[in-house]
Amino acid sequence: NAGVMQNPRHLVRRRGQEARLRCSPMKGHSHVYWYRQLPEEGLKFMVYLQKENIIDESGMPKERFSAEFPKEGPSILRIQQVVRGDSAAYFCASSPGQGLSTEAFFGQGTRLTVV
Amino acid sequence: AQSVTQLDSQVPVFEEAPVELRCNYSSSVSVYLFWYVQYPNQGLQLLLKYLSGSTLVESINGFEAEFNKSQTSFHLRKPSVHISDTAEYFCAVIGPGNTDKLIFGTGTRLQVFP
Repeated sequence: NAGVMQNPRHLVRRRGQEARLRCSPMKGHSHVYWYRQLPEEGLKFMVYLQKENIIDESGMPKERFSAEFPKEGPSILRIQQVVRGDSAAYFCASSPGQGLSTEAFFGQGTRLTVV
Repeated sequence: AQSVTQLDSQVPVFEEAPVELRCNYSSSVSVYLFWYVQYPNQGLQLLLKYLSGSTLVESINGFEAEFNKSQTSFHLRKPSVHISDTAEYFCAVIGPGNTDKLIFGTGTRLQVFP
């Protein structure tokens, strides 16, 4: 079991470019969470998805951010027209099903740097 | 809304000394509590969790935490720390509703000195 896989581990983007962060959940897990960790801060919830469905996006910024978890393939967190303030570590966690986040596992994160 | 407070942003301690990292949460009817550890440039690893039952929970590497409902606390303790315990420690609680999102504290950096 390879665990939760995130790629890339490090991503550098210029202001105005798009960033795509990928998360492959653990085998057998059908639910994915995305969290953002700003420098010197804790993790903040962004979005909770199951395949082909967004369950809770209450933590997503209203503009430029979107997330998807297609039937096939990894979950994608997309940030359009990145700004310096988007520089952060983005973590994905997966769980076996709804109501089972007590069994969630985290990936190693993608560290986004906007220059 | 559910919230978690970690009062100490940094805790310096000498090797083999005891340590306590404090965590308080806002009250809720039912609560699940977690401690995660983050080593430099790594992801989060679950250290221990309280779901129900015994209020004292232990990890495999000597940490323990006690759920105290009356004080709404879940402090993390270790009687004798090692250099390798140097890391960031996050307390978390399951948020309200059925989405089960984790609500994290701001973290405590444990620095163990030789």
